[in-house]
Order: sequence, then C-alpha cells, then structure tokens
Amino acid sequence: DAGVIQSPRHEVTEMGQEVTLRCKPISGHDYLFWYRQTMMRGLELLIYFNNNVPIDDSGMPEDRFSAKMPNASFSTLKIQPSEPRDSAVYFCASSAGGTDTQYFGPGTRLTVL
Amino acid sequence: GENVEQHPSTLSVQEGDSAVIKCTYSDSASNYFPWYKQELGKRPQLIIDIRSNVGEKKDQRIAVTLNKTAKHFSLHITETQPEDSAVYFCAASMKTGNQFYFGTGTSLTVIP
Repeated sequence: DAGVIQSPRHEVTEMGQEVTLRCKPISGHDYLFWYRQTMMRGLELLIYFNNNVPIDDSGMPEDRFSAKMPNASFSTLKIQPSEPRDSAVYFCASSAGGTDTQYFGPGTRLTVL
Repeated sequence: GENVEQHPSTLSVQEGDSAVIKCTYSDSASNYFPWYKQELGKRPQLIIDIRSNVGEKKDQRIAVTLNKTAKHFSLHITETQPEDSAVYFCAASMKTGNQFYFGTGTSLTVIP
C-alpha cells in the first residue's frame, strides 16, 4: 500500500492567490482528516470526513478555507485568497472504520509570501 | 470538547537513560490514546497506542501506561538512543474513527 498521498509537497505562492492541496487516502479507509501544523499552534484539526461527508468543520479558520471530498479516493483543501498567516504544513490523514489509527500523509509545506 | 495537556515541552536525556512524557485529558468518555513520533521534516507516525480497558502496554523499549481515574497517560522510553530524538505527540479520542485531540508535543533530544 502506498499510504496516504499528498500533493504538492511544497507550495510557494503570493498573497491573494488561490491554493489547492490534494490528498488521496489509503484505499478502504472511510475517514479522512485535514490538519494544519505550525510552531505556534501545533497540530490543529481543520475538518474531517466520513464516507465522503464532512462531519466536523469547526476547525476551519475562516471562509477562505474550504474542503471537498468528491469520492472515496480524493479530497482537496482550498484556500482563497491566501494570506501569509496561512503558511504552515498541511497534513492529510485517513483511518478505517472499526480501528482508530490515523495514518498521516507526508504533508504539504505551504509558504505564502 | 476534550482538552489534552502534555508535559514537558522539551526533554533532554543522556543516551541509555529513560525518558517519560506525561499527558492528561479532561473528558472521561475518551477511550483511545495513541502516541505519535514526528522526526524533523517528516510526518507523525504512530508508535504505540492504548485503549481504556488496558492499564499498560509495552512494545520493546516503549511502554504506555493509563490511569483512567486520574485521567492521565504516559509514554516511557527505556535505553534511549539518538534515533529516538524527535517530537512526540499524545492524543485522546472518544470513539472509533472520530477526531483526535492532540497534545502540544514534547521535543525529545537524546545526547550521545
């Protein structure tokens, strides 16, 4: 199994631009989580899906952030417009119903100039 | 919601010594407690976990203990090695597949 796949691995963009982060969960996993990690705030849960349905998006910082999961093998996190304070590492993780272990992807390091 | 506190935030030990990291949680409904290790620039990876019906679990040099009454759990690493140097996160979860509440992390440095 390839594990959780994220793209791009690094993204540098300018303030005001739209950014789209992508995630492919482990095949068969029915839960998908988006996290943001910064030195100041640690690991923050932004949103999670169960069977492609958003369950809790209370961690999404503001309306500039949106996430979708159109099918069981793909999810996107979009930031529009991006701001310098959005600079962070964004992780996607997935888990299988019936077990609790979350498997993290390699992360996307986002830098907004 | 759940609140997980983790201590210490940084920890330095001599190679071969033991390291202990402690976490407390607030919601007695939490029943699953994983520990993740994150090396610099890498993803968090599960190293050990424990469920609320178990008091202790060991895996080679790593062990986790859980005190449900006091609502705290600890990670113990014995015979530390330089490759144990990383940031360790504890987490608590209330039910299968639902969100984890992470601690703030402990940066462990093992001095050769």
